[in-house]
Amino acid sequence: EDKVVQSPLSLVVHEGDTVTLNCSYEVTNFRSLLWYKQEKKAPTFLFMLTSSGIEKKSGRLSSILDKKELSSILNITATQTGDSAIYLCAVAPPSNTGKLIFGQGTTLQVKP
Amino acid sequence: DAGVIQSPRHEVTEMGQEVTLRCKPISGHDYLFWYRQTMMRGLELLIYFNNNVPIDDSGMPEDRFSAKMPNASFSTLKIQPSEPRDSAVYFCASSPLGANEKLFFGSGTQLSVL
Repeated sequence: EDKVVQSPLSLVVHEGDTVTLNCSYEVTNFRSLLWYKQEKKAPTFLFMLTSSGIEKKSGRLSSILDKKELSSILNITATQTGDSAIYLCAVAPPSNTGKLIFGQGTTLQVKP
Repeated sequence: DAGVIQSPRHEVTEMGQEVTLRCKPISGHDYLFWYRQTMMRGLELLIYFNNNVPIDDSGMPEDRFSAKMPNASFSTLKIQPSEPRDSAVYFCASSPLGANEKLFFGSGTQLSVL
């Protein structure tokens, strides 16, 4: 069965800290891996990764995919209280449908 | 664009009642998805449509759940009869052709079945 596992499940840090969130997957021949941020309600898109070893970056957030290890990490540097959210990892299977398999999410709390 | 619009935002109902959730996708998006989120199971895909046609409903829990998309700008998810275990946040999401993994989510409907 296709599966996406995230770790840790929850994390508490202080402002200014750097955090690394992990995502591993057991999905045969996936097309892409995506990261979403969920604050309060709707998940919002962060990154889509398709190629191994190429880092995607947006401000203080960055992500990289390791197809050999079947994993991805999401880094957040100089964390702020506004980074507090649930971070969701999802994998798209090879069929071109947009059907995503989500991990259970990592809840990040950034304290002032 | 206003984004994906869902209604109602909250729904409280009693067991056995019919519940209808509504969704207006982003104009021009070819795919529409219904997800359910619970603490125990996370985000689960219930059903998705491509160009208004249901493609995969394997995630629909049972016959009590049904979904329709009568046109490109409107979809409904119906639960009849509702049960307490249906309590969850139901999200609608849409995505464009060619980037259909990049889902745009609505704000969700918080459903409580008493």
